[in-house]
Amino acid sequence: AQTVTQSQPEMSVQEAETVTLSCTYDTSESNYYLFWYKQPPSRQMILVIRQEAYKQQNATENRFSVNFQKAAKSFSLKISDSQLGDTAMYFCAFMKHVLSWGKLQFGAGTQVVVTP
Amino acid sequence: GAGVSQSPSNKVTEKGKDVELRCDPISGHTALYWYRQSLGQGLEFLIYFQGNSAPDKSGLPSDRFSAERTGGSVSTLTIQRTQQEDSAVYLCASSLGGTSGGAYEQYFGPGTRLTVT
Repeated sequence: AQTVTQSQPEMSVQEAETVTLSCTYDTSESNYYLFWYKQPPSRQMILVIRQEAYKQQNATENRFSVNFQKAAKSFSLKISDSQLGDTAMYFCAFMKHVLSWGKLQFGAGTQVVVTP
Repeated sequence: GAGVSQSPSNKVTEKGKDVELRCDPISGHTALYWYRQSLGQGLEFLIYFQGNSAPDKSGLPSDRFSAERTGGSVSTLTIQRTQQEDSAVYLCASSLGGTSGGAYEQYFGPGTRLTVT
């Protein structure tokens, strides 16, 4: 079974600063996907970024980037130039690559608070 | 619609009653998932549909929980004889399905908050 660990329950960052969220996972699979989702107070889960395990290049989406260390089973998210709208719970998720679908296994989440 | 929709947004029910939660996925998405989010258990997978069939029901917590999907579109999650421990936010997600990387991306609805009194 896979486990996903987010060791930081809460992180605070000032506007325009950078914050890094950590995520580690445990799996014996070689082919899988990793995701970061954002859940603001509205409750809507929003996909932030995706990383395929077979790709060595780290994924980037605008101000969001990841540091994927496959051997260390680490998948951290960096938010650059933080904005007030980034305040949300952030979840790291693992998906085993099974044919055309995959259930997500989530970490416990990290609450990010961006202050003015 | 543009995104996944769920209804009702909030549901309060008495212990022992049955409830139905509805999910309308993104048009063209063949895969549909139900998850549950609760304070004690975090985010848990419940069931997955590919078309109208459910190859994986492993996350359903008891036989009081059932789900169906009709026409490869709308899905209903039914909880019979609700218990207080069923109180949670029930999230639905859909994905394209298929073998390309983007097909795995799951897009979530706003959820249904269920409160059992």
